[in-house]
Amino acid sequence: RKEVEQDPGPFNVPEGATVAFNCTYSNSASQSFFWYRQDCRKEPKLLMSVYSSGNEDGRFTAQLNRASQYISLLIRDSKLSDSATYLCVVTHANNLFFGTGTRLTVIP
Amino acid sequence: EAGVTQFPSHSVIEKGQTVTLRCDPISGHDNLYWYRRVMGKEIKFLLHFVKESKQDESGMPNNRFLAERTGGTYSTLKVQPAELEDSGVYFCASSRYLAYGNEQFFGPGTRLTVL
Repeated sequence: RKEVEQDPGPFNVPEGATVAFNCTYSNSASQSFFWYRQDCRKEPKLLMSVYSSGNEDGRFTAQLNRASQYISLLIRDSKLSDSATYLCVVTHANNLFFGTGTRLTVIP
Repeated sequence: EAGVTQFPSHSVIEKGQTVTLRCDPISGHDNLYWYRRVMGKEIKFLLHFVKESKQDESGMPNNRFLAERTGGTYSTLKVQPAELEDSGVYFCASSRYLAYGNEQFFGPGTRLTVL
């Protein structure tokens, strides 16, 4: 079983739309949770950390449900520049475990 | 502040040859990590250095892979002899602290193709 499961997409949405990504993780001992963004042929970059209380950064909202081992990312008012692959990442033993990523394309 | 750098950006070699990848972490970052992404799969952890010591090498696929970090600065990852299934993108990352939730900064990766 994979450490982190994500729907690979692709998600094609119009500008201004709201889109939500989900992922699940298998190890209940996972300690930290993140969403990374990866542009085509570039390195992953941290988008935001995810906390049980939920957290928001501008148009981005992340949620963590430890009981269900479920993480979500909501993007409101999508911009063309949001087009990328979004990677769900969890840590345990100080190492990162990645999902395969969800590809988002925002269409004009 | 300069980011994580990796060299080369691309490498194309034949099966059975040797390739050495290099990673220069962000200055002052004691923690250095190697990851690999094989086509169509997720990014996977290979190993973790704290300074010059291997903290965790549980992700190394087999003994054809050798990582070093002499002096605790840059790191090299050697593949010898390379096999077809070694093709992929090799990422290096570094972080300052060894703490849960500490951000890892990634390099641009080395794209390795084994023919």
